[in-house]
Amino acid sequence: AQKITQTQPGMFVQEKEAVTLDCTYDTSDPSYGLFWYKQPSSGEMIFLIYQGSYDQQNATEGRYSLNFQKARKSANLVISASQLGDSAMYFCAGYALNFGKGTSLLVTP
Amino acid sequence: SAVISQKPSRDICQRGTSLTIQCQVDSQVTMMFWYRQQPGQSLTLIATANQGSEATYESGFVIDKFPISRPNLTFSTLTVSNMSPEDSSIYLCSVRSGRGGNQPQHFGDGTRLSIL
Repeated sequence: AQKITQTQPGMFVQEKEAVTLDCTYDTSDPSYGLFWYKQPSSGEMIFLIYQGSYDQQNATEGRYSLNFQKARKSANLVISASQLGDSAMYFCAGYALNFGKGTSLLVTP
Repeated sequence: SAVISQKPSRDICQRGTSLTIQCQVDSQVTMMFWYRQQPGQSLTLIATANQGSEATYESGFVIDKFPISRPNLTFSTLTVSNMSPEDSSIYLCSVRSGRGGNQPQHFGDGTRLSIL
């Protein structure tokens, strides 16, 4: 099974700056995927972005992009031009339905 | 993407009682997933509910404590039995948006459960 590790319990970023949230994984499967979800304080889980192991390019979705480094087994989420509404918990998840511990992001004015 | 309705949205229960959580999806799906999110923690998969067969439980979760029903392809229930304060959590159901492990999950809004 794919093990997901998020080592940043909390992060701060100033509005309009970029921030990188770390995610590393461990799997022996040649085919796998990584997902990122956002959980605001209201509690809902929102899918942000997906990266497949065979994808040729790093995934991008609007202000979200993935810095996918297969050799390092990392799939870090980059949020550009942070907004106050980006303040939330961010979870990295594997294709086996398992989640990392999450990173709490606070965007400050 | 699938629209998932989960209810109740929250409840406060006495220890020793049981509560059944309902999850309704607006489209037919093969598998539905039940998660627990303890306060300040990440999501932990409880079980996968398959229509027409027994649910598949993850390590640490048993059917006697968390019985699951899956009567059709759009509906599932999770019962939290003989509740104790340690069961105070958010319970979420989810489905994949399509077939295959590369499909993201979509979640209901969750059931916030507090046990007194």
